Amino acid sequence: GNSVTQMEGPVTLSEEAFLTINCTYTATGYPSLFWYVQYPGEGLQLLLKATKADDKGSNKGFEATYRKETTSFHLEKGSVQVSDSAVYFCALSDKSGGSNYKLTFGKGTLLTVNP
Amino acid sequence: NAGVTQTPKFQVLKTGQSMTLQCAQDMNHEYMSWYRQDPGMGLRLIHYSVGAGITDQGEVPNGYNVSRSTTEDFPLRLLSAAPSQTSVYFCASSRDRAGYGYTFGSGTRLTVV
Repeated sequence: GNSVTQMEGPVTLSEEAFLTINCTYTATGYPSLFWYVQYPGEGLQLLLKATKADDKGSNKGFEATYRKETTSFHLEKGSVQVSDSAVYFCALSDKSGGSNYKLTFGKGTLLTVNP
Repeated sequence: NAGVTQTPKFQVLKTGQSMTLQCAQDMNHEYMSWYRQDPGMGLRLIHYSVGAGITDQGEVPNGYNVSRSTTEDFPLRLLSAAPSQTSVYFCASSRDRAGYGYTFGSGTRLTVV
């Protein structure tokens, strides 16, 4: 079956620090990969996505590259801000077989950025 | 604003009571899903639908029913609430099977006492 493993938190950084949140996956087909962000008290928002190998998703200074050889989709940001404090979820959607329509999520990583 | 609307935002139930969590989207999305979010567990799929009249079970369907009579609405029914169903519930919809990702509602926080 499909699964997503992401680094456990919490992660605490100072403002302007470099961020990496690791994410690896297993999938039976050819998945699309996503990072979602959940701000306190809110639902999940799509942060970025990549639909095929070597694609780079980017948004709001965050980036992640779809690495098929290492089955990874690590999230990075060069300089975090206090407003980036949130829970980040890595997810995949497998495009093959009967699992076309479902997202499989990692457990989430809580990021806290201090001024 | 276009999006996914969930009601209610908060609910407290007694064990054994039933209720329906409402979900509506106005984006004409075919694909809709219900997830529950529990601490340390991430999000787990309860039920999903690929179009009006078509539903299927996810990872954790026991104790929940769904139906999809219209494209817009996808209600989740708790048949006989149990404390193990205390959770935050999210509804999501998507235009595309895999490429676009889902739009999530703001969630319903349910407590069963």
